[in-house]
Amino acid sequence: TQLLEQSPQFLSIQEGENLTVYCNSSSVFSSLQWYRQEPGEGPVLLVTVVTGGEVKKLKRLTFQFGDARKDSSLHITAAQPGDTGLYLCAGDRTGTASKLTFGTGTRLQVTL
Amino acid sequence: GAVVSQHPSRVICKSGTSVKIECRSLDFQATTMFWYRQFPKQSLMLMATSNEGSKATYEQGVEKDKFLINHASLTLSTLTVTSAHPEDSSFYICSARFSGGLYYEQYFGPGTRLTVT
Repeated sequence: TQLLEQSPQFLSIQEGENLTVYCNSSSVFSSLQWYRQEPGEGPVLLVTVVTGGEVKKLKRLTFQFGDARKDSSLHITAAQPGDTGLYLCAGDRTGTASKLTFGTGTRLQVTL
Repeated sequence: GAVVSQHPSRVICKSGTSVKIECRSLDFQATTMFWYRQFPKQSLMLMATSNEGSKATYEQGVEKDKFLINHASLTLSTLTVTSAHPEDSSFYICSARFSGGLYYEQYFGPGTRLTVT
């Protein structure tokens, strides 16, 4: 059973478009992290959200943690080819970042 | 952010031999590190949790005698794949736990591509 479901699984868009990736669970998390991974490399931490309802912005990326801390979303404005990659959400149920539960992943491709 | 390195980045070995992968936290001390395996186009699968100075904790279905983990210092954990077989070919990634004050985060290494021939 996958505790964290991401949607969509795949997304192919053109440069300049906006998109939203969702990360949903029935479990409550102490914190949730978003990563981006490029082929052949390790995941790179983008952001950590810890408070229900929290919104964090990282340039064109906006991250939101659900009020009940069961879900999260990542919104990208004016996507660029450099945004291409695998986006992973990962939830921490214990507050110690041990045994992170990873989402199923969203593969994003941004074309010119 | 915190930096984690892995070595080697790629390794090809013959079936039956052993391969050691190193994971280092470069600018922080990590009492806890993690080893993951990733199959093509899939998410990460946790193999084991490596604790400095104590035995690693393995996930269900992961053979501890095949995947030997040693965490001898606060900045180094090693994963040794013993008697490797072609089905062990995969992308292995380590991460290190970092305390951000109010919460913990995990930072990942760049990964090691293992090919067993």
